[in-house]
Amino acid sequence: AQKITQTQPGMFVQEKEAVTLDCTYDTSDQSYGLFWYKQPSSGEMIFLIYQGSYDEQNATEGRYSLNFQKARKSANLVISASQLGDSAMYFCAMREDNYGGSQGNLIFGKGTKLSVKP
Amino acid sequence: SQTIHQWPATLVQPVGSPLSLECTVEGTSNPNLYWYRQAAGRGLQLLFYSVGIGQISSEVPQNLSASRPQDRQFILSSKKLLLSDSGFYLCAWSQDRGLEQYFGPGTRLTVT
Repeated sequence: AQKITQTQPGMFVQEKEAVTLDCTYDTSDQSYGLFWYKQPSSGEMIFLIYQGSYDEQNATEGRYSLNFQKARKSANLVISASQLGDSAMYFCAMREDNYGGSQGNLIFGKGTKLSVKP
Repeated sequence: SQTIHQWPATLVQPVGSPLSLECTVEGTSNPNLYWYRQAAGRGLQLLFYSVGIGQISSEVPQNLSASRPQDRQFILSSKKLLLSDSGFYLCAWSQDRGLEQYFGPGTRLTVT
């Protein structure tokens, strides 16, 4: 089974509107971390936001927020007030803290391509 | 501040030729280092990680190898490239296990 599932291969949003990118995960660990990265066409992976499994508050970083629903094992990224520069691939990733001794390795989903329309 | 460099940015190599990709990190010491590969239109697959000089762990069996000759230098190598080695290779670092990883600009490798 996939550890990270991003069901939306592509999304469109109108400039200045909010958009939610879906991410569900699968783990039996109690301690884990969830990350979102942005990959523009240049290829570089840009860290956006992090949520720990024990964090009670949803993480926020500027226009990015992570809607963490632990019981549903979902960690959706919400981008408010979309900008043209937000057009990119977005990847959800998970770190399992008790996974076989691996040193904080990240497991990535397949990504969602977001296109912001003017 | 910390920065991470990768070179070359792009590379076209024939099947059977050797490979050496380099990654260096500045502004930090004893980082965890990672090599990922991204096939076209896909997510990232972890290839190797290192928690210290000379310490390399491989996540998947493959035609590639990695080395860490210095604290902030991570090298990805192959003796003989295969067509399936084509892809976008990303190096990343984190200060410690569990913290966010920061990625370099990547190397786009095409094996012909």
